[in-house]
Amino acid sequence: KAGVTQTPRYLIKTRGQQVTLSCSPISGHRSVSWYQQTPGQGLQFLFEYFSETQRNKGNFPGRFSGRQFSNSRSEMNVSTLELGDSALYLCASKGAAMNTEAFFGQGTRLTVV
Amino acid sequence: DQQVKQNSPSLSVQEGRISILNCDYTNSMFDYFLWYKKYPAEGPTFLISISSIKDKNEDGRFTVFLNKSAKHLSLHIVPSQPGDSAVYFCAARGEGGNTGKLIFGQGTTLQVKP
Repeated sequence: KAGVTQTPRYLIKTRGQQVTLSCSPISGHRSVSWYQQTPGQGLQFLFEYFSETQRNKGNFPGRFSGRQFSNSRSEMNVSTLELGDSALYLCASKGAAMNTEAFFGQGTRLTVV
Repeated sequence: DQQVKQNSPSLSVQEGRISILNCDYTNSMFDYFLWYKKYPAEGPTFLISISSIKDKNEDGRFTVFLNKSAKHLSLHIVPSQPGDSAVYFCAARGEGGNTGKLIFGQGTTLQVKP
């Protein structure tokens, strides 16, 4: 069974640009969540999508958005990039059972210059 | 507002000894807790979890203890091995039932010395 796949693994963008990150969850998982990891803030929840609907949202500005497709694949978009957006962006998928763990992808390392 | 806290940024233990990693939370509505292990530039890997209806869960060398009255949980690794050296994150499932939202602590870097 394939794990959670994130593309690309590394990305360098310039301030002001926008970026789209992709996440393919484990087959059969309908919940996909996104997290930002920075040295100072740890792992912070961005949002969760379930069956193409945003189910939860963290405390990030509107420049951060996402969507989920009918095959459960998800994309995350960051517009008007700032230097502080440089981080490791992690995606996690979760199955339908109540008390089960989320499985993480290897992440996308975004560097904003 | 840090709802999940790991107050020890780092821990160093000798190979073969016990490692104890601690985690505190503030929201009494949290009902499911998880521990993840993470290496640099990789995604977190699930280790063990515990539901709030239990006070202990064991899986091989890993045991998680939950003290609801103190809002405290701990991860015990016995015996510790050099390959256990990594960053360990405690996480709580967000409120609202079967959600994928996790609230993480800041992490504890464990170093196991041979």
